[in-house]
Amino acid sequence: EAQVTQNPRYLITVTGKKLTVTCSQNMNHEYMSWYRQDPGLGLRQIYYSMNVEVTDKGDVPEGYKVSRKEKRNFPLILESPSPNQTSLYFCASSPPRGQGVTEAFFGQGTRLTVV
Amino acid sequence: AQSVTQLDSQVPVFEEAPVELRCNYSSSVSVYLFWYVQYPNQGLQLLLKYLSGSTLVKGINGFEAEFNKSQTSFHLRKPSVHISDTAEYFCAVSPWSGAGSYQLTFGKGTKLSVIP
Repeated sequence: EAQVTQNPRYLITVTGKKLTVTCSQNMNHEYMSWYRQDPGLGLRQIYYSMNVEVTDKGDVPEGYKVSRKEKRNFPLILESPSPNQTSLYFCASSPPRGQGVTEAFFGQGTRLTVV
Repeated sequence: AQSVTQLDSQVPVFEEAPVELRCNYSSSVSVYLFWYVQYPNQGLQLLLKYLSGSTLVKGINGFEAEFNKSQTSFHLRKPSVHISDTAEYFCAVSPWSGAGSYQLTFGKGTKLSVIP
């Protein structure tokens, strides 16, 4: 089954304790991205990756890091989480535009609470 | 850059009544348009999309949307809603081409509540 898998689904952590949220897709997509969803703000892009070893900042990158060492994986790293990073996080992947499919495929989300 | 405005943050509607969720966008380039639905405690699911051609597009679960280029709108409609349509709906756009062509810009969402 084609899917984007995020782990963990739920995470409670303390301020300053480094954490990683994993994201994996099995569709061989080149483009992957991370969004955060906050009430009343919709989804905002954090980082994206056009391909292996190619990453760039989205609209709200402060406090986050990413890496893309393999095509299928795109982990989100919070080196020193703070309470304002409490949010619902989504990973997404998209195929190349020339393949006739334009929409993004989303993971199930990771609800992060930083206390 | 693109921006998306969803004009209603919450829409209550009685079961079997029609509903329209409004979406306006702003962009200096041509864009693709999408509606995504998020059911409680779930991820985002594509409802429908407009790429080109006919301005009326049909999606899953009986939803449809009409692209109006002159008004830069992409309103979502359903003639008769069900309890199961209770969810949050997001309008989104992405450019046809260019460096940001894969990036989705989302509206802030509209929570649809269907009342029995």
